[in-house]
Amino acid sequence: EAGVTQSPTHLIKTSGHQATLRCSPISGHTSVYWYQQALGLGLQFLLWYDEGEERNRGNFPPRFSGRQFPNYSSELNVNALELEDSALYLCASSSYRGRTEAFFGQGTRLTVV
Amino acid sequence: KQEVTQIPAALSVPEGENLVLNCSFTDSAIYNLQWFRQDPGKGLTSLLLIQSSQREQTSGRLNASLDKSSGRSTLYIAASQPGDSATYLCAVKEGGQNFVFGPGTRLSVLP
Repeated sequence: EAGVTQSPTHLIKTSGHQATLRCSPISGHTSVYWYQQALGLGLQFLLWYDEGEERNRGNFPPRFSGRQFPNYSSELNVNALELEDSALYLCASSSYRGRTEAFFGQGTRLTVV
Repeated sequence: KQEVTQIPAALSVPEGENLVLNCSFTDSAIYNLQWFRQDPGKGLTSLLLIQSSQREQTSGRLNASLDKSSGRSTLYIAASQPGDSATYLCAVKEGGQNFVFGPGTRLSVLP
């Protein structure tokens, strides 16, 4: 069974531009979580989607947004990129509103230049 | 607001030692607690999930316990190996909330 997949693996963008990161959850999982991990720092919660709806949002500016599609895959969009947005972006999925084991993808390394 | 802490921040042990990693959380109203490992620059690998009604879980050389009333969990690693070197993270899940992660314990197992 395929795990959580994220694409692309690496992304290099210019400051002020937009980035789109994608996540495909494990089959049968309806919840998708997004986290940011800047170099040497802990995981900071970005967004949680469950069954197509945004359930919770972390303390990030509105230029961080996302959505969940009917097949439960998800997209994270970062507008007006800043150098400080350079980080590893991790996606996780779980079933039943997060009450079961969560599994993470390998992440997307975003570099803003 | 839930806060999760982990002690120690870093640990270096010789191969073969048994070791304990600690995780504390401030609000005991949790659904579950999950332990992960993260290798440098990689995603997180799930190790063990403990539901709020459980006291412990075991997988191979790993054993995790949960004391919800005191807000503590421990991860016991038996007969450590160099391949166990990684950062270990605990995360708690509350109802209607996201996972809250601790800062992690960086483990080095020396051959």
